[in-house]
Amino acid sequence: AQKITQTQPGMFVQEKEAVTLDCTYDTSDQSYGLFWYKQPSSGEMIFLIYQGSYDEQNATEGRYSLNFQKARKSANLVISASQLGDSAMYFCAMRSPYSGAGSYQLTFGKGTKLSVIP
Amino acid sequence: DSGVTQTPKHLITATGQRVTLRCSPRSGDLSVYWYQQSLDQGLQFLIQYYNGEERAKGNILERFSAQQFPDLHSELNLSSLELGDSALYFCASSVEGLPDTGELFFGEGSRLTVL
Repeated sequence: AQKITQTQPGMFVQEKEAVTLDCTYDTSDQSYGLFWYKQPSSGEMIFLIYQGSYDEQNATEGRYSLNFQKARKSANLVISASQLGDSAMYFCAMRSPYSGAGSYQLTFGKGTKLSVIP
Repeated sequence: DSGVTQTPKHLITATGQRVTLRCSPRSGDLSVYWYQQSLDQGLQFLIQYYNGEERAKGNILERFSAQQFPDLHSELNLSSLELGDSALYFCASSVEGLPDTGELFFGEGSRLTVL
């Protein structure tokens, strides 16, 4: 079974500073995918970044980067130059290996609430 | 806009009632997933359908049921509603098959309030 742990229920960061949101995972699979989603107060789920288990480089998407440490089973999200609009819930998720059509499933962590302070 | 459409956006009903939530996946996506998000809770996986067939079941109550129709839209039926069923219900869809990452595209959610 796959498990995602986000140990920080809430985080505060000063505007323009960088912040790291922690995510650890547990799986016995060799092939898997890791995602981060953002959920603003309006409620929608917004995809931020993806890292495949065999990807050698850490994923980056604009101000978002994923610090992937496979041996430690961690996939921390780093947001650089925080903006007020970054205030939201952030969810880490893990995808099961592909084993045929319709086999993908995502397991989500409980989330971290990030508040950006002006 | 993710391309996933959920209706209704908001729903208020009474305990004991039955409601149906509807989801239209992105064009071409065969998989539909339902998640429940209660207040201050993470996303609880309920059920997944692929091309009309049930593929995986999570923490879905027996009072809840779902189906996916030939046109690939899906419905989540919630019956004998209780106060604790008040939540945001998300539908998501995904492309299947390598080299797809497995990213889920979420609808805006249906917020259910049971009074």
